[in-house]
Amino acid sequence: DARVTQTPRDKVTEMGQEVTMRCQPILGHNTVFWYRQTMMQGLELLAYFRNRAPLDDSGMPKDRFSAEMPDATLATLKIQPSEPRDSAVYFCASGGGAVEEQFFGPGTRLTVL
Amino acid sequence: AQKITQTQPGMFVQEKEAVTLDCTYDTSDQSYGLFWYKQPSSGEMIFLIYQGSYDEQNATEGRYSLNFQKARKSANLVISASQLGDSAMYFCAMRELASGGSYIPTFGRGTSLIVHP
Repeated sequence: DARVTQTPRDKVTEMGQEVTMRCQPILGHNTVFWYRQTMMQGLELLAYFRNRAPLDDSGMPKDRFSAEMPDATLATLKIQPSEPRDSAVYFCASGGGAVEEQFFGPGTRLTVL
Repeated sequence: AQKITQTQPGMFVQEKEAVTLDCTYDTSDQSYGLFWYKQPSSGEMIFLIYQGSYDEQNATEGRYSLNFQKARKSANLVISASQLGDSAMYFCAMRELASGGSYIPTFGRGTSLIVHP
């Protein structure tokens, strides 16, 4: 049963530290999405890749966030420097299936103190 | 303007009853897709059902059906014979073509469903 995996599952860090979140999409899926979920804002799309190329990152604060896909099996989301307002659950999803529905990972719960 | 509107922040239903979760959307595209996802308390988002804008029949997947009314831009999720395990957040989402040829998904704020025994 293929799944999207994310690491770490939980991360507590101090303001100003660098945070790197990793995602392994489902093999064969050619789209990858990064989302942030908070109670206040709901689910926000941060970045979107197709065939490893970034197609849309308009939802991402460019000054501190960066997203990359160094290869087809790894997507990364980096925050540097982190701030308390970045505290949220970050989801990775890969797109595939008959209607290119999204398969979500379990999320990374980030707490920035 | 919000592209996906879910007006019910919370819904309650008795076990074995049917429940309808509302979703309206806003797009000027002719080709788009509508999705429903479930997020139980464990946090993982689970795909439930899909409706394409050109599909004439309402989509069904087991106990889930999508009541698609294109003229009203409405895509309500109907869950029949509710079970306790259906208690979760439910998100409506739309995928439409953005400039540059990419498909951009947009999610609603979600509806919390609680199923009572």
